[in-house]
Amino acid sequence: DAGVTQSPTHLIKTRGQQVTLRCSPKSGHDTVSWYQQALGQGPQFIFQYYEEEERQRGNFPDRFSGHQFPNYSSELNVNALLLGDSALYLCASSWGSISGNTIYFGEGSWLTVV
Amino acid sequence: AQTVTQSQPEMSVQEAETVTLSCTYDTSENNYYLFWYKQPPSRQMILVIRQEAYKQQNATENRFSVNFQKAAKSFSLKISDSQLGDTAMYFCAPAGPTSGTYKYIFGTGTRLKVLA
Repeated sequence: DAGVTQSPTHLIKTRGQQVTLRCSPKSGHDTVSWYQQALGQGPQFIFQYYEEEERQRGNFPDRFSGHQFPNYSSELNVNALLLGDSALYLCASSWGSISGNTIYFGEGSWLTVV
Repeated sequence: AQTVTQSQPEMSVQEAETVTLSCTYDTSENNYYLFWYKQPPSRQMILVIRQEAYKQQNATENRFSVNFQKAAKSFSLKISDSQLGDTAMYFCAPAGPTSGTYKYIFGTGTRLKVLA
């Protein structure tokens, strides 16, 4: 049973560029959330996708956008990258968005903006 | 809005001893859930324990147990017989309904070091 998988694991981008991160949820899961974790901090909620729609959004600018596909996989896009976007980006999946089910995390994508 | 506070940035414990990590939260909801996750140096977030707020009984998972005080909005994690592999960042995360779906909010974490 494959867990949550994310790609790429590491990447380096230049300020002003755009990046796309990908996530495949754990088998049987239909809800995907994205978190940003800066060094030494706790994960910060970016947004949550369920039924291909953004259901919740944290305090992140519109430069952060996402998408969920019919197979429940998801993408996180960040435009006009800033140095402060350097962080570990975590994807988490769960079954159902209307219950407090356990969310399972991928290993994350390390983004460095130079 | 949900908020969560972990007031202990760092803690250490001797191997085989017991340690308690504290967490307080604020929510206006009545039906919510509480989680503890650990994040070892590998950075993979791993579920430690889950508590349903409507249950008065404290959750336990092997060496891990919680002290859930709903009225005080406190959710502490007790680790018994600490092992070197317990060295990690520990995050408290309440999850409550917001705009029709559940939102999971993480604290700033407690760095636990288990000493040999």
